[in-house]
Amino acid sequence: AQTVTQSQPEMSVQEAETVTLSCTYDTSESDYYLFWYKQPPSRQMILVIRQEAYKQQNATENRFSVNFQKAAKSFSLKISDSQLGDAAMYFCAYPGTYKYIFGTGTRLKVLA
Amino acid sequence: EPEVTQTPSHQVTQMGQEVILRCVPISNHLYFYWYRQILGQKVEFLVSFYNNEISEKSEIFDDQFSVERPDGSNFTLKIRSTKLEDSAMYFCASSEITDGNTIYFGEGSWLTVV
Repeated sequence: AQTVTQSQPEMSVQEAETVTLSCTYDTSESDYYLFWYKQPPSRQMILVIRQEAYKQQNATENRFSVNFQKAAKSFSLKISDSQLGDAAMYFCAYPGTYKYIFGTGTRLKVLA
Repeated sequence: EPEVTQTPSHQVTQMGQEVILRCVPISNHLYFYWYRQILGQKVEFLVSFYNNEISEKSEIFDDQFSVERPDGSNFTLKIRSTKLEDSAMYFCASSEITDGNTIYFGEGSWLTVV
């Protein structure tokens, strides 16, 4: 079965510092995508970044980057130069057939 | 930028009443989804819809739930007889293709059953 695990319920980071959020997943597929979504207090689900498994290069979007380790089935999100607006719940997601499977989320607090 | 729109943003309903949540997916998308998030919990898949029929549904999506695409633009979720435990944020989402393509979420409909 396809599963997504986020083992850090909560993380804190000082403003302007770097933080890494962890995600592991399980799948028997060889070609797939992985996503990170951000959910601020407004509760909207906002796409942060996506990674294609067949690409060896880690995806980057401005201050957000991933560390994708396919063999280890690990997909961590690195946020550089953290800003107060980064404070939110972050969900890792794996798109199974006809549905997306989400992890339980990591609440990120950014300290001024 | 195209976006998924949902109405209402917030609805309060009496237990046992019927509720219809509405969504307008992104116009060129063909796959539609409903997800649910109970306060403080993770996002849970309810149902996916393609070519005017349900592609997959979760165990949460029981007989009290139904989905419909009544016209070319709207996608609705109906809860026939609401229960207290149906109180949650309901997200509509859409995508161009399944299996990897990005899904885009609406802003959610917050349902409170009293």
